[in-house]
Amino acid sequence: EAQVTQNPRYLITVTGKKLTVTCSQNMNHEYMSWYRQDPGLGLRQIYYSMNVEVTDKGDVPEGYKVSRKEKRNFPLILESPSPNQTSLYFCASRGPGGGSPKNIQYFGAGTRLSVL
Amino acid sequence: AQKVTQAQTEISVVEKEDVTLDCVYETRDTTYYLFWYKQPPSGELVFLIRRNSFDEQNEISGRYSWNFQKSTSSFNFTITASQVVDSAVYFCALVQDNYGQNFVFGPGTRLSVLP
Repeated sequence: EAQVTQNPRYLITVTGKKLTVTCSQNMNHEYMSWYRQDPGLGLRQIYYSMNVEVTDKGDVPEGYKVSRKEKRNFPLILESPSPNQTSLYFCASRGPGGGSPKNIQYFGAGTRLSVL
Repeated sequence: AQKVTQAQTEISVVEKEDVTLDCVYETRDTTYYLFWYKQPPSGELVFLIRRNSFDEQNEISGRYSWNFQKSTSSFNFTITASQVVDSAVYFCALVQDNYGQNFVFGPGTRLSVLP
């Protein structure tokens, strides 16, 4: 079954305590992304990766880091979380571009993060 | 710059009513893809449909139908005979060209279907 798996699903932490949200996909997709969802704003892209060792900033990258050492994994790192990073986070992966039927973005189940 | 607008923040209907969710987009690209996703109360994002900019045919899937009109830059979504299980937040999204990486999402429309 095609899956994007995020962990943890829920996380409460305190300001400044480094954390990592993991993301793994089993579809051998090249493209992976991280989004945050905030009320009234929809989903906004944080970072994306087009392949191993290739990452780039999305619309709201400040305060976040990512890495892509393996094709299947794309962790999101918050080195020093702050309360304004309290949000719902989604990891996504996508197959090749163009008109391919695989050009659909699949999302993980989400990680609800609270930074106190 | 690309932008997706969903002017309806919240909609409430009574079960069995038809409801249309509006989506208006802005892009300068000639090749782009439009999507609808459903986010039920459980929080996951469920893919509903993808449409490319060269295919203006309307699509029907069961009680769901989509009306794509390039002339008005709209990609509206209609649910016929709504059911309580349709209650969710619905997102319209746009991605540019063939290898665009940045999916631009609208703010979402929260649909409540009352029994």
